[in-house]
Amino acid sequence: EAGVVQSPRYKIIEKKQPVAFWCNPISGHNTLYWYRQNLGQGPELLIRYENEEAVDDSQLPKDRFSAERLKGVDSTLKIQPAELGDSAVYLCASTGGMGEKLFFGSGTQLSVL
Amino acid sequence: GDSVTQMEGPVTLSEEACLTINCTYTATGYPSLFWYVQYPGEGLQLLLKATKADDKGSNKGFEATYRKETTSFHLEKGSVQVSDSAVYFCALGYNDMRFGAGTRLTVKP
Repeated sequence: EAGVVQSPRYKIIEKKQPVAFWCNPISGHNTLYWYRQNLGQGPELLIRYENEEAVDDSQLPKDRFSAERLKGVDSTLKIQPAELGDSAVYLCASTGGMGEKLFFGSGTQLSVL
Repeated sequence: GDSVTQMEGPVTLSEEACLTINCTYTATGYPSLFWYVQYPGEGLQLLLKATKADDKGSNKGFEATYRKETTSFHLEKGSVQVSDSAVYFCALGYNDMRFGAGTRLTVKP
């Protein structure tokens, strides 16, 4: 069975440009998370989806970040416009139930120049 | 809000040494507690978990006990190997998973 799939693996953009990350969770996992991990730090939650509903987006910088999970499967995280401070690894994770372990994708490493 | 605090690293040990990585938590309810590990060049993966007070999670020789009275979930291993070199993250959550800052462990032969 395939794990959590993320793309692209790496992305280099100039500041003020838009960027989008894609995630395909494990089949059957209703809960999907987006995290941001800065170098040398732990993952920080950006948004959590239950099926297609964003149930916790309190940490998502809504002025420039947006996310969607159409049909409750794949998800896209977008930044527009990107800033230098957005350089980080963006991780997608999914789980099959509350309190259960998270399965993480390989992440997208974003560099904003 | 709920959070975890890990001991700061990095930690460097010789092979076969004992390991303890401290983790304390703050939570309003009774979340599950986890240790995740990130090996060099790999993604985060679950190492062990405990779902209620006094539960002990174990895997690959690592252990951690959910201590409600001290709000702790310290990671321990009696004899580390070079292959244990990685970054270890303490986490808690039920709906939302919150992670600590991570502790980098390097084991030297």
